[in-house]
Amino acid sequence: DSGVTQTPKHLITATGQRVTLRCSPRSGDLSVYWYQQSLDQGLQFLIQYYNGEERAKGNILERFSAQQFPDLHSELNLSSLELGDSALYFCASSPWTGDAFFGQGTRLTVV
Amino acid sequence: GESVGLHLPTLSVQEGDNSIINCAYSNSASDYFIWYKQESGKGPQFIIDIRSNMDKRQGQRVTVLLNKTVKHLSLQIAATQPGDSAVYFCAENSGYSTLTFGKGTMLLVSP
Repeated sequence: DSGVTQTPKHLITATGQRVTLRCSPRSGDLSVYWYQQSLDQGLQFLIQYYNGEERAKGNILERFSAQQFPDLHSELNLSSLELGDSALYFCASSPWTGDAFFGQGTRLTVV
Repeated sequence: GESVGLHLPTLSVQEGDNSIINCAYSNSASDYFIWYKQESGKGPQFIIDIRSNMDKRQGQRVTVLLNKTVKHLSLQIAATQPGDSAVYFCAENSGYSTLTFGKGTMLLVSP
């Protein structure tokens, strides 16, 4: 158990809908990362927050957004969902901007 | 753009053999590297890391070698066990940027 908690574990939704994925980092970790993993793309970095502020942005679509709250938990919001958004979404946390410990992921299926 | 890649998508070994998984990176500014193991249905799990001022680091049954001259990273697993079967990712970090992952190598260990 990495200490990073993600909810929900599974999510099935229809195209055009909006969902929110939640992540609780390891105790004391200030940095939170979001990654998308699909079969043909591997682990794609989406966005990073450090102590409530956006630190780095990767291949995140404009339909996606994230935030980190004062208690350091983070949410990833995915809107206007498309079939191609179906993937595993991982959150990872780190005490600094370097290594990362991953949660178990949220499997999103868009139908 | 800069990327991390793996030479072998699948590696099949016999139980008890030593395994070597290779990784090439292209960002010469990267100064920190991590190997992750991902089992089916789980999030990536930290195995071992190495900084660019080192060329070798050993853990329990695992060794990471870094060759900065040719920008190559390898993970050696001694006495491979069936429980080592998983997908292995290398990841690089260059300063404040986040971890960039390769596509992964699947290790299959047969008894």
